[in-house]
Amino acid sequence: LAKTTQPISMDSYEGQEVNITCSHNNIATNDYITWYQQFPSQGPRFIIQGYKTKVTNEVASLFIPADRKSSTLSLPRVSLSDTAVYYCLVGRSNDYKLSFGAGTTVTVRA
Amino acid sequence: GAGVSQSPSNKVTEKGKDVELRCDPISGHTALYWYRQSLGQGLEFLIYFQGNSAPDKSGLPSDRFSAERTGGSVSTLTIQRTQQEDSAVYLCASSLAPGASTEETQYFGPGTRLLVL
Repeated sequence: LAKTTQPISMDSYEGQEVNITCSHNNIATNDYITWYQQFPSQGPRFIIQGYKTKVTNEVASLFIPADRKSSTLSLPRVSLSDTAVYYCLVGRSNDYKLSFGAGTTVTVRA
Repeated sequence: GAGVSQSPSNKVTEKGKDVELRCDPISGHTALYWYRQSLGQGLEFLIYFQGNSAPDKSGLPSDRFSAERTGGSVSTLTIQRTQQEDSAVYLCASSLAPGASTEETQYFGPGTRLLVL
Protein backbone atom coordinates (compact mmCIF):
# COMPACT_ATOMS: atom_id res chain seq x y z
CA LEU A 1 0.00 0.00 0.00
CA ALA A 2 1.19 3.49 -0.82
CA LYS A 3 2.30 5.60 2.12
CA THR A 4 -0.13 8.29 3.18
CA THR A 5 0.24 11.38 5.33
CA GLN A 6 -2.67 13.11 7.02
CA PRO A 7 -3.00 15.55 9.92
CA ILE A 8 -3.08 14.04 13.38
CA SER A 9 -6.06 16.07 14.53
CA MET A 10 -8.58 18.71 13.51
CA ASP A 11 -11.11 20.67 15.54
CA SER A 12 -14.36 22.04 14.22
CA TYR A 13 -17.76 23.31 15.30
CA GLU A 14 -21.20 22.05 14.55
CA GLY A 15 -22.52 23.15 11.17
CA GLN A 16 -19.10 23.77 9.67
CA GLU A 17 -17.52 21.95 6.76
CA VAL A 18 -14.49 19.83 7.59
CA ASN A 19 -11.87 19.11 4.97
CA ILE A 20 -9.16 16.54 5.62
CA THR A 21 -6.31 16.34 3.15
CA CYS A 22 -4.27 13.20 2.67
CA SER A 23 -0.96 13.17 0.81
CA HIS A 24 0.02 10.10 -1.19
CA ASN A 25 2.88 11.12 -3.44
CA ASN A 26 3.76 7.58 -4.57
CA ILE A 27 0.27 6.50 -5.55
CA ALA A 28 0.33 3.89 -8.33
CA THR A 29 -1.74 3.91 -11.50
CA ASN A 30 -4.05 1.13 -10.30
CA ASP A 31 -4.48 2.50 -6.80
CA TYR A 32 -7.76 3.77 -5.42
CA ILE A 33 -8.20 6.19 -2.53
CA THR A 34 -10.47 5.07 0.28
CA TRP A 35 -11.54 6.72 3.51
CA TYR A 36 -12.75 5.01 6.65
CA GLN A 37 -14.34 6.43 9.80
CA GLN A 38 -13.98 4.96 13.26
CA PHE A 39 -15.97 5.93 16.34
CA PRO A 40 -14.70 5.11 19.83
CA SER A 41 -15.22 1.47 20.76
CA GLN A 42 -16.38 0.58 17.26
CA GLY A 43 -14.79 -0.97 14.21
CA PRO A 44 -13.86 1.15 11.17
CA ARG A 45 -16.58 1.99 8.69
CA PHE A 46 -16.11 2.52 4.94
CA ILE A 47 -17.05 6.08 3.96
CA ILE A 48 -16.08 6.69 0.37
CA GLN A 49 -13.75 5.56 -2.40
CA GLY A 50 -12.54 7.25 -5.55
CA TYR A 51 -10.00 7.11 -8.34
CA LYS A 52 -10.00 10.62 -9.79
CA THR A 53 -11.93 13.92 -9.85
CA LYS A 54 -14.84 13.99 -7.43
CA VAL A 55 -17.01 11.40 -5.76
CA THR A 56 -19.98 12.23 -3.58
CA ASN A 57 -22.30 10.10 -1.49
CA GLU A 58 -24.75 10.72 1.32
CA VAL A 59 -21.97 11.00 3.88
CA ALA A 60 -19.08 12.87 2.26
CA SER A 61 -17.34 14.09 -0.85
CA LEU A 62 -13.91 13.10 -2.05
CA PHE A 63 -11.89 15.47 -4.18
CA ILE A 64 -8.92 14.12 -6.12
CA PRO A 65 -6.77 16.43 -8.26
CA ALA A 66 -5.49 15.40 -11.65
CA ASP A 67 -2.06 14.31 -10.38
CA ARG A 68 -3.73 12.15 -7.67
CA LYS A 69 -0.88 12.86 -5.26
CA SER A 70 -3.34 14.02 -2.65
CA SER A 71 -7.01 13.82 -1.87
CA THR A 72 -9.43 15.74 0.32
CA LEU A 73 -12.30 14.26 2.28
CA SER A 74 -15.03 16.83 2.79
CA LEU A 75 -17.63 16.44 5.53
CA PRO A 76 -20.45 18.97 5.05
CA ARG A 77 -22.13 20.60 8.03
CA VAL A 78 -20.66 18.37 10.72
CA SER A 79 -22.47 17.51 13.89
CA LEU A 80 -21.22 16.28 17.26
CA SER A 81 -21.75 12.71 16.06
CA ASP A 82 -19.10 13.17 13.38
CA THR A 83 -16.42 13.20 16.06
CA ALA A 84 -14.28 10.22 15.07
CA VAL A 85 -10.97 9.13 13.61
CA TYR A 86 -10.75 9.28 9.84
CA TYR A 87 -8.31 7.11 7.91
CA CYS A 88 -7.02 7.55 4.38
CA LEU A 89 -5.91 4.43 2.50
CA VAL A 90 -4.37 4.05 -0.93
CA GLY A 91 -4.20 0.72 -2.67
CA ARG A 92 -5.68 -1.55 -5.32
CA SER A 93 -9.38 -2.21 -5.04
CA ASN A 94 -8.71 -5.96 -4.81
CA ASP A 95 -6.14 -5.59 -2.02
CA TYR A 96 -8.10 -6.86 0.95
CA LYS A 97 -5.32 -6.36 3.49
CA LEU A 98 -6.39 -3.06 4.95
CA SER A 99 -3.75 -1.15 6.84
CA PHE A 100 -4.37 2.00 8.81
CA GLY A 101 -1.98 4.43 10.40
CA ALA A 102 -2.90 6.89 13.14
CA GLY A 103 -5.56 8.66 11.09
CA THR A 104 -6.98 12.13 11.73
CA THR A 105 -8.93 12.65 14.92
CA VAL A 106 -11.74 15.07 14.18
CA THR A 107 -13.36 16.69 17.18
CA VAL A 108 -16.60 18.56 16.64
CA ARG A 109 -17.63 20.99 19.36
CA ALA A 110 -20.98 22.58 20.04
CA GLY B 1 -28.00 -10.37 12.09
CA ALA B 2 -27.72 -6.85 10.82
CA GLY B 3 -23.98 -6.57 11.19
CA VAL B 4 -20.81 -8.32 12.26
CA SER B 5 -20.85 -9.33 15.89
CA GLN B 6 -17.94 -10.28 18.09
CA SER B 7 -17.67 -11.80 21.52
CA PRO B 8 -16.62 -11.21 24.14
CA SER B 9 -16.51 -7.44 23.92
CA ASN B 10 -13.81 -7.33 26.58
CA LYS B 11 -11.44 -9.99 27.83
CA VAL B 12 -8.92 -9.75 30.63
CA THR B 13 -6.60 -12.68 31.03
CA GLU B 14 -3.37 -13.60 32.71
CA LYS B 15 -0.14 -14.06 30.88
CA GLY B 16 0.22 -17.65 29.70
CA LYS B 17 -3.49 -18.39 29.43
CA ASP B 18 -5.27 -19.27 26.19
CA VAL B 19 -8.11 -17.11 24.83
CA GLU B 20 -10.72 -17.60 22.16
CA LEU B 21 -12.33 -14.74 20.31
CA ARG B 22 -15.48 -15.25 18.27
CA CYS B 23 -16.77 -13.54 15.14
CA ASP B 24 -20.20 -13.84 13.56
CA PRO B 25 -20.05 -12.32 10.08
CA ILE B 26 -22.90 -10.87 8.07
CA SER B 27 -25.00 -13.66 6.62
CA GLY B 28 -23.97 -14.49 3.07
CA HIS B 29 -20.53 -12.92 3.30
CA THR B 30 -18.01 -15.45 2.07
CA ALA B 31 -14.92 -13.43 2.95
CA LEU B 32 -13.91 -12.96 6.57
CA TYR B 33 -10.90 -11.13 7.99
CA TRP B 34 -9.23 -10.75 11.34
CA TYR B 35 -7.28 -7.62 12.21
CA ARG B 36 -5.54 -6.28 15.28
CA GLN B 37 -5.55 -2.65 16.30
CA SER B 38 -3.35 -1.22 19.00
CA LEU B 39 -2.22 2.24 20.02
CA GLY B 40 0.72 3.33 17.98
CA GLN B 41 0.43 0.37 15.62
CA GLY B 42 -2.64 1.23 13.61
CA LEU B 43 -4.62 -1.57 11.98
CA GLU B 44 -2.76 -4.80 11.33
CA PHE B 45 -4.04 -7.60 9.08
CA LEU B 46 -3.92 -11.07 10.60
CA ILE B 47 -5.76 -13.61 8.42
CA TYR B 48 -8.30 -13.92 5.62
CA PHE B 49 -10.88 -16.64 5.07
CA GLN B 50 -12.69 -17.46 1.87
CA GLY B 51 -15.42 -19.85 2.93
CA ASN B 52 -13.86 -22.21 5.46
CA SER B 53 -10.36 -22.06 4.08
CA ALA B 54 -7.67 -19.54 4.92
CA PRO B 55 -5.64 -18.79 1.80
CA ASP B 56 -3.79 -15.98 3.53
CA LYS B 57 -2.43 -16.36 7.04
CA SER B 58 0.50 -14.06 6.42
CA GLY B 59 -0.38 -11.62 9.17
CA LEU B 60 -0.46 -14.04 12.09
CA PRO B 61 2.38 -12.82 14.32
CA SER B 62 3.44 -16.19 15.71
CA ASP B 63 2.42 -19.84 15.91
CA ARG B 64 0.58 -19.02 19.13
CA PHE B 65 -2.12 -17.50 16.93
CA SER B 66 -4.55 -19.66 15.00
CA ALA B 67 -8.01 -19.26 13.51
CA GLU B 68 -10.70 -21.39 12.04
CA ARG B 69 -14.02 -20.89 10.34
CA THR B 70 -16.81 -23.40 10.23
CA GLY B 71 -19.89 -23.68 8.05
CA GLY B 72 -18.71 -20.70 6.07
CA SER B 73 -19.90 -18.54 8.91
CA VAL B 74 -18.59 -18.25 12.47
CA SER B 75 -14.88 -17.82 13.00
CA THR B 76 -12.75 -18.24 16.10
CA LEU B 77 -9.36 -16.67 16.69
CA THR B 78 -7.34 -18.49 19.32
CA ILE B 79 -4.30 -17.10 21.06
CA GLN B 80 -2.32 -19.63 23.07
CA ARG B 81 -0.03 -18.78 25.95
CA THR B 82 -0.95 -15.11 25.80
CA GLN B 83 1.73 -12.46 26.26
CA GLN B 84 1.37 -8.87 27.35
CA GLU B 85 2.21 -7.68 23.84
CA ASP B 86 -0.93 -9.46 22.63
CA SER B 87 -3.03 -6.80 24.34
CA ALA B 88 -4.97 -5.00 21.63
CA VAL B 89 -8.39 -4.70 20.04
CA TYR B 90 -9.08 -7.65 17.76
CA LEU B 91 -11.40 -6.75 14.92
CA CYS B 92 -13.28 -9.02 12.59
CA ALA B 93 -14.65 -7.94 9.21
CA SER B 94 -16.61 -9.62 6.48
CA SER B 95 -17.42 -8.86 2.86
CA LEU B 96 -19.34 -10.38 -0.04
CA ALA B 97 -16.10 -11.07 -1.85
CA PRO B 98 -12.43 -10.42 -1.09
CA GLY B 99 -11.31 -6.90 -1.77
CA ALA B 100 -11.53 -3.33 -0.64
CA SER B 101 -13.66 -1.67 -3.29
CA THR B 102 -17.07 -0.07 -2.90
CA GLU B 103 -18.65 -3.32 -4.07
CA GLU B 104 -16.50 -5.42 -1.75
CA THR B 105 -16.75 -3.22 1.31
CA GLN B 106 -15.42 -4.80 4.46
CA TYR B 107 -17.87 -4.45 7.32
CA PHE B 108 -16.25 -4.47 10.73
CA GLY B 109 -17.50 -5.72 14.04
CA PRO B 110 -17.08 -3.74 17.27
CA GLY B 111 -13.99 -5.68 18.26
CA THR B 112 -12.82 -7.59 21.31
CA ARG B 113 -10.61 -5.65 23.68
CA LEU B 114 -8.01 -8.03 25.02
CA LEU B 115 -5.90 -7.15 28.03
CA VAL B 116 -3.18 -9.54 29.10
CA LEU B 117 -1.95 -8.92 32.61
